[in-house]
Amino acid sequence: DVKVTQSSRYLVKRTGEKVFLECVQDMDHENMFWYRQDPGLGLRLIYFSYDVKMKEKGDIPEGYSVSREKKERFSLILESASTNQTSMYLCASSLWAGSAGANVLTFGAGSRLTVL
Amino acid sequence: KNEVEQSPQNLTAQEGEFITINCSYSVGISALHWLQQHPGGGIVSLFMLSSGKKKHGRLIATINIQEKHSSLHITASHPRDSAVYICAVRISGQNFVFGPGTRLSVLP
Repeated sequence: DVKVTQSSRYLVKRTGEKVFLECVQDMDHENMFWYRQDPGLGLRLIYFSYDVKMKEKGDIPEGYSVSREKKERFSLILESASTNQTSMYLCASSLWAGSAGANVLTFGAGSRLTVL
Repeated sequence: KNEVEQSPQNLTAQEGEFITINCSYSVGISALHWLQQHPGGGIVSLFMLSSGKKKHGRLIATINIQEKHSSLHITASHPRDSAVYICAVRISGQNFVFGPGTRLSVLP
């Protein structure tokens, strides 16, 4: 069964702490995405990566950075967490557009981050 | 302007009712997904459509490419269908665009 695994289901951090959220997929997908989901705002793209060491900013990249050193792993980093980053964070992956099965989109279970 | 819109925003139904959730989009797409998210849960893909109609159990999804519209139908609804249903489209490039979601509550 194909999977996207997020390292932490629930995290509580303090303002100013550095936070790492990790995502691993076992489907050999080229594309990986980080979204945040907030009530009334739906899913918003933070960053995505279409290859190892490649990244592109999404709609709300401010306050976040990402790292993709290996194809299967995509990390989201909050350098100095703030209370307005309290949210549900969802990782997803897909094949490169144009590949067979390219439009398959698979999500992780989500990481709920609370910043105090 | 939202590229993907859904209606209704919230929906309450009695168990057994037939339910329809609508999605409309404003640009050409390569595929449309219907996603389901239970409270506190992750997101799962129910259907991926590029044309026509798909059925799985009590769920039916249709798409009309010319009208840029898709519907998700649930027959004989059940309380376990209570969830947020999200429409997502792949417009161009590698990214997906998501609708705001429809929150469905099915009462016993």
